[in-house]
Amino acid sequence: KAGVTQTPRYLIKTRGQQVTLSCSPISGHRSVSWYQQTPGQGLQFLFEYFSETQRNKGNFPGRFSGRQFSNSRSEMNVSTLELGDSALYLCASSLGLSGRLGDTQYFGPGTRLTVL
Amino acid sequence: GQQVMQIPQYQHVQEGEDFTTYCNSSTTLSNIQWYKQRPGGHPVFLIQLVKSGEVKKQKRLTFQFGEAKKNSSLHITATQTTDVGTYFCAAMIYNQGGKLIFGQGTELSVKP
Repeated sequence: KAGVTQTPRYLIKTRGQQVTLSCSPISGHRSVSWYQQTPGQGLQFLFEYFSETQRNKGNFPGRFSGRQFSNSRSEMNVSTLELGDSALYLCASSLGLSGRLGDTQYFGPGTRLTVL
Repeated sequence: GQQVMQIPQYQHVQEGEDFTTYCNSSTTLSNIQWYKQRPGGHPVFLIQLVKSGEVKKQKRLTFQFGEAKKNSSLHITATQTTDVGTYFCAAMIYNQGGKLIFGQGTELSVKP
């Protein structure tokens, strides 16, 4: 079974631009969670989608948004990029909602975003 | 504020020494998961603990969940260079809408 895939793997943007990241979960998984990872802040939860609906949201500004499609693939969008948005963006998939008893998350390799 | 505190932030050990990382919360946890992230890699699930006082072992790794379900620990016996990486706990807190909250991680380096 193929693992979680994320595209692109690396991205360089300039301030003010917008970016869309994509995540394809493991086949059969219905939940996709997004995380931002930086050296100073660790792993910060962005949001979680399950069956095309946002189920949980972290404490990020409205510039960060996401969606999930009927095939469970998910996209994350960041508008009006700031220098501080430079980070590794990880998505994780699970059968059910993350943290649910018996469910585990499988992380993708991440997208390394650099904002200049 | 940070709801799941993990200490220490860094740990440097000599190969063969033991290592422990701790995860603490002021609120009751529904369950807790542990992940390992190798340098340049992504987090990989290790284990999930659910029951109060639960202890689980995976070879040289021992995971514990506190009696009050407010803390957890990961202990590695006789570290090896392959243990290098950052260990994260991730907890689901009761009445927090099902969000999985990660600790800051403990970065382990092992000197051969």
